[in-house]
Amino acid sequence: QKEVEQDPGPLSVPEGAIVSLNCTYSNSAFQYFMWYRQYSRKGPELLMYTYSSGNKEDGRFTAQVDKSSKYISLFIRDSQPSDSATYLCAKVGGSNYKLTFGKGTLLTVNP
Amino acid sequence: DVKVTQSSRYLVKRTGEKVFLECVQDMDHENMFWYRQDPGLGLRLIYFSYDVKMKEKGDIPEGYSVSREKKERFSLILESASTNQTSMYLCASSPGTGVSEQFFGPGTRLTVL
Repeated sequence: QKEVEQDPGPLSVPEGAIVSLNCTYSNSAFQYFMWYRQYSRKGPELLMYTYSSGNKEDGRFTAQVDKSSKYISLFIRDSQPSDSATYLCAKVGGSNYKLTFGKGTLLTVNP
Repeated sequence: DVKVTQSSRYLVKRTGEKVFLECVQDMDHENMFWYRQDPGLGLRLIYFSYDVKMKEKGDIPEGYSVSREKKERFSLILESASTNQTSMYLCASSPGTGVSEQFFGPGTRLTVL
């Protein structure tokens, strides 16, 4: 089983919708998780990171970790066309704090 | 602002050629990484380096080697390029040890014919 599983989508929503992006992980020893956003023809950029369980909010974005179910989620409120991108979840672990990425979910927000 | 630059945005090479992909970062970061990104497979770590002249294999090192002679520069080498190495290659860097953000370059789209 891959360490981080992510539904690749694609996901298409109307502007203003609430978006839910999800990943599952297999190793309960993981403590840190990150969400990266990648626009077309660009490198990924860090959006948010979370530690252990609970929620972290940053503007329209909320990252959530549920350790009991090994589930990590990213919620986008009031989605905008500029949110159209690929979203990658990642777990932090292993030697030298390597990142292991999910496959990424392609999101399109339609005006 | 952290800047990670990659030598080429697009590269076309022939099977069997030796290929060098260069990456430079300007923020004095200790750690540097090479990934490849393929549809349906996501980002996969090829090699990383946590110090000058130090390197460690990632998840898919076969067919690749790396070189880090200076702190700011990390090179990925395809000794004999093959068609299955056609991919998007992304370089990243991060500071020191501990949990930290990786900063990515814009990527190099390599096509091996």
